[in-house]
Amino acid sequence: GESVGLHLPTLSVQEGDNSIINCAYSNSASDYFIWYKQESGKGPQFIIDIRSNMDKRQGQRVTVLLNKTVKHLSLQIAATQPGDSAVYFCAEISGATNKLIFGTGTLLAVQP
Amino acid sequence: DAGVTQSPTHLIKTRGQQVTLRCSPKSGHDTVSWYQQALGQGPQFIFQYYEEEERQRGNFPDRFSGHQFPNYSSELNVNALLLGDSALYLCASSTPQGMATYEQYFGPGTRLTVT
Repeated sequence: GESVGLHLPTLSVQEGDNSIINCAYSNSASDYFIWYKQESGKGPQFIIDIRSNMDKRQGQRVTVLLNKTVKHLSLQIAATQPGDSAVYFCAEISGATNKLIFGTGTLLAVQP
Repeated sequence: DAGVTQSPTHLIKTRGQQVTLRCSPKSGHDTVSWYQQALGQGPQFIFQYYEEEERQRGNFPDRFSGHQFPNYSSELNVNALLLGDSALYLCASSTPQGMATYEQYFGPGTRLTVT
């Protein structure tokens, strides 16, 4: 079946370092991928997205990389800050639907 | 401009009871999706409403039902509650169908505890 999973459940980094959060997906028909950030007690917050016809997209301090050959997605956060501490989810949308399929999540802990 | 709002914030119910959760989408959005998020897990898609009809459904039993009103707000109903229904229920709204974006805006969720 369709699934989106994460390799690392917890990632601890030092403030100022770069963070890389990885995600594997199984549905090659997915044509859109999104990274969400979820802070405690809040709903997921959109960070950045990428379409399947792209392999890289940059935002403010964040970069998403897509490798369709190995069905792998990553989120890079530059100069990680304490405010980046949260759970990060990758999600995919299959085909023409608006049905998001989420992975389990990675907890990013930024040490001051 | 208010974002997605949900009510109530927290709710405690007993097994076998019924519950109704409410959601108001972000201004200008006409599509509402509901998700269930168990502790430590990613959100799981329940269903999506557009034009007051259920457009898509995830792998949830018929105990889960919903409704969308003419003002685009939505309700999620769960009947015959089970302990396993305890979770954070998230509502997400998205831009009108046909827009070239899949971005969904999430509300803060309703924490449901079934005892």
